[in-house]
Amino acid sequence: GAGVSQSPSNKVTEKGKDVELRCDPISGHTALYWYRQSLGQGLEFLIYFQGNSAPDKSGLPSDRFSAERTGGSVSTLTIQRTQQEDSAVYLCASSRQARTLNEQFFGPGTRLTVL
Amino acid sequence: AQKVTQAQTEISVVEKEDVTLDCVYETRDTTYYLFWYKQPPSGELVFLIRRNSFDEQNEISGRYSWNFQKSTSSFNFTITASQVVDSAVYFCALSVSGSARQLTFGSGTQLTVLP
Repeated sequence: GAGVSQSPSNKVTEKGKDVELRCDPISGHTALYWYRQSLGQGLEFLIYFQGNSAPDKSGLPSDRFSAERTGGSVSTLTIQRTQQEDSAVYLCASSRQARTLNEQFFGPGTRLTVL
Repeated sequence: AQKVTQAQTEISVVEKEDVTLDCVYETRDTTYYLFWYKQPPSGELVFLIRRNSFDEQNEISGRYSWNFQKSTSSFNFTITASQVVDSAVYFCALSVSGSARQLTFGSGTQLTVLP
């Protein structure tokens, strides 16, 4: 079956612009995660969605970052007023359910470059 | 807070050699889960193995095996008879019981298998 898909695969933007990154989880997966992978910080958790529950935003680095998940499926991560330190690969992952031991399946990522 | 340490930043072996990747974790939770993921040059994180904190039985799956020891908080991963295609960055990760189960990753070990 189809895996997690993310778009765009690459995004180059200018400092101060807003960007939107999209994630399509595996069909039937109720849990969705966003992570960020950068050279200096490694792999960091950003935000988590489970069904219709309020998201866990504890990993978001600043209020310029936000995310939503529509209809319990597709998710969009928005970064406002981008800064150069936002340059990283943004990874999305989904799993069947978060409350049991289910491995997370990752998408190919979106490489964001802020000039 | 959780922490995962992968002290080996880079390992280089010759094809057919066995190689062990080290992972040490820290958590105060008594229920937790450990994972190994592989990130080949293509960039997509691939799930390899998982273990929960109540199961210290070590197993072998094909060329992969792991050694989970709670007494030393270690979760080491061994590849037997390494192949060039095993060249990748390997991440150890930890998640604890709770609502989100987000992954806390180590910094990764770059494995290079030379022909």
